[in-house]
Amino acid sequence: GAGVSQSPSNKVTEKGKDVELRCDPISGHTALYWYRQSLGQGLEFLIYFQGNSAPDKSGLPSDRFSAERTGGSVSTLTIQRTQQEDSAVYLCASRQTYNSPLHFGNGTRLTVT
Amino acid sequence: GEDVEQSLFLSVREGDSSVINCTYTDSSSTYLYWYKQEPGAGLQLLTYIFSNMDMKQDQRLTVLLNKKDKHLSLRIADTQTGDSAIYFCAVPSGGSYIPTFGRGTSLIVHP
Repeated sequence: GAGVSQSPSNKVTEKGKDVELRCDPISGHTALYWYRQSLGQGLEFLIYFQGNSAPDKSGLPSDRFSAERTGGSVSTLTIQRTQQEDSAVYLCASRQTYNSPLHFGNGTRLTVT
Repeated sequence: GEDVEQSLFLSVREGDSSVINCTYTDSSSTYLYWYKQEPGAGLQLLTYIFSNMDMKQDQRLTVLLNKKDKHLSLRIADTQTGDSAIYFCAVPSGGSYIPTFGRGTSLIVHP
């Protein structure tokens, strides 16, 4: 595949509902990251997967947020009981090794009404 | 943790040079990155520099790194209207594999 693919590109949900955001990294990339970008803000780190190691979840803002990565490839970020402050663009990135550049998807724009 | 600072806005005239600055707090031997984000898109890697270098040139782009002052800059020569975007610097948090991003500098190029 060409690049990092994220779906859906846009998601509108009602407050209190659960949402799942999907990321397909570049084939062969061992590391996968989720970031959140709120209006006018920089990128906020959420979670990092490296190979088969336990993920670094230190950036998840609350226990309503979780993520998994199946088979070392596709990742799903789940937000339970969404709140309005969860509205943001969620960006996924992958990299080939621990030191190589991150390659980003186009993001999922989440709007919680 | 790592703190990465950028000025929020820069306005230049077409044809002029643009210089976008970034300061950071932690130091590690690794790569430092510049990304570009156009409206509605993800971040596109522009260029990067390894921490043992002072300068890297790539066509219209020049990256300068001052490790002593923990200062990184991106110079765009002959700035074009198509360069209008938000530019982010990214620095790995000291010793970790998690890049910390600045808040981004919005570059506005006037004809």
